[in-house]
Formats: sequence, C-alpha cells, structure tokens
Amino acid sequence: GAGVSQSPRYKVAKRGQDVALRCDPISGHVSLFWYQQALGQGPEFLTYFQNEAQLDKSGLPSDRFFAERPEGSVSTLKIQRTQQEDSAVYLCASSHGREQFFGPGTRLTVL
Amino acid sequence: GENVEQHPSTLSVQEGDSAVIKCTYSDSASNYFPWYKQELGKGPQLIIDIRSNVGEKKDQRIAVTLNKTAKHFSLHITETQPEDSAVYFCAAPRLHGSSNTGKLIFGQGTTLQVKP
Repeated sequence: GAGVSQSPRYKVAKRGQDVALRCDPISGHVSLFWYQQALGQGPEFLTYFQNEAQLDKSGLPSDRFFAERPEGSVSTLKIQRTQQEDSAVYLCASSHGREQFFGPGTRLTVL
Repeated sequence: GENVEQHPSTLSVQEGDSAVIKCTYSDSASNYFPWYKQELGKGPQLIIDIRSNVGEKKDQRIAVTLNKTAKHFSLHITETQPEDSAVYFCAAPRLHGSSNTGKLIFGQGTTLQVKP
C-alpha cells in the first residue's frame, strides 16, 4: 500500500522567505508527527497531531514554525521568515498504534 | 525527560560478520524501543521494535535485546550483507505528563559499513 508521502522533496529558499511543506500520511492513521533532522543527527521531534488536534507542539523551535492538519489527514508545516539555521530535512511520520512510519522527508536549504 | 545515547557512531564489518549497536535510555517508564534504518536520501524505516514486557525479539537476521534494569537495548545483525550498510537509529518514547503521545527521542545514529 501507499506509504507516507511528502512534497516537495527539495526546497531552496532565500533567507526571509516563507515555505510550506506538505505531508500525506497513510490513509486512516490518526497520529501524525513532524521531526527535524539536521545533517548527521537523529530526527528531533517538532509537533504531534491526533486527527486534527495539535496535542503537542513543544518541539517547535520558534514562533516562526506553524503546523496544521485541518481535516485530520494532510498536514502542512509552515516556516515563516526562514533563517539559515532552519536548513535541515523535515520528516513526517504517521501512526495508528506504536509504530511510526516515516516519509522520505523534505530537504530544506536556506541561502 | 528521556535521553537516548547510542554507540558506536561508526561501525565497519566484513560481509558475513555480526554487528551490534547499543543504546541506553534514562526514563525507566519508557516501554517501547524501535530501531530504524535510514539509507541516503530516504526517511527512516522501522526494522524491528521491542516492548518492555519482553527481553528479546528476533526477525530473521535481526534481533533486539532489552535490559530494563540497566536501561539499555541493543540491535544485533547477523550474517551482514552489503545492503545492510546504512545509518541505524534507536529511539525511545518521551512521556508527556501522565500520557504517552508517542513522540520519539532518537539516538545519535550509527553508520554501519559492510565490506564485501
């Protein structure tokens, strides 16, 4: 079956631009997670949704980061006024139990 | 909160040898420990996991062991093959208050190279 998909796969932004990253979870998965992965590091938690409710956003690094999942399916991670330190791979994962299944990620490069 | 330490950071073995990667965790309430394999340019892929009510789990050439007393768990790969070359991550859940939202804390990763 179809796994988690993310788009775009690659995004280059100039410093100060806004970006929007999309995640399509596995159909029927209630839980959705966003993680940030810096080069050579493990993924770090950003935020968590259960259906459309954002239950945990403790990992968002600043108020420039915003995530939504309005209909409990597709989710968008938005970064406003991007900075060079935002350059990373952004991973989305979905789950219907303990196991989390990851998408391929979006590699964001901020110049 | 949970903290996960992973060792070694790099591991090189000959094809056919075994590889072992170890992780320690800090929160004694953690009850689920997955292992992920990440190939270049791809997202992490779940390869095996273990729950705190068992000490060992096997799946073909891969096994995971858990020592709750010492708070560490290990990934064992036997008869390694070149296609096992990748970065491996361990993880443990960070409990949020009295509930477990499932967010994972990852180790730093181990780059495994299997030489033909």
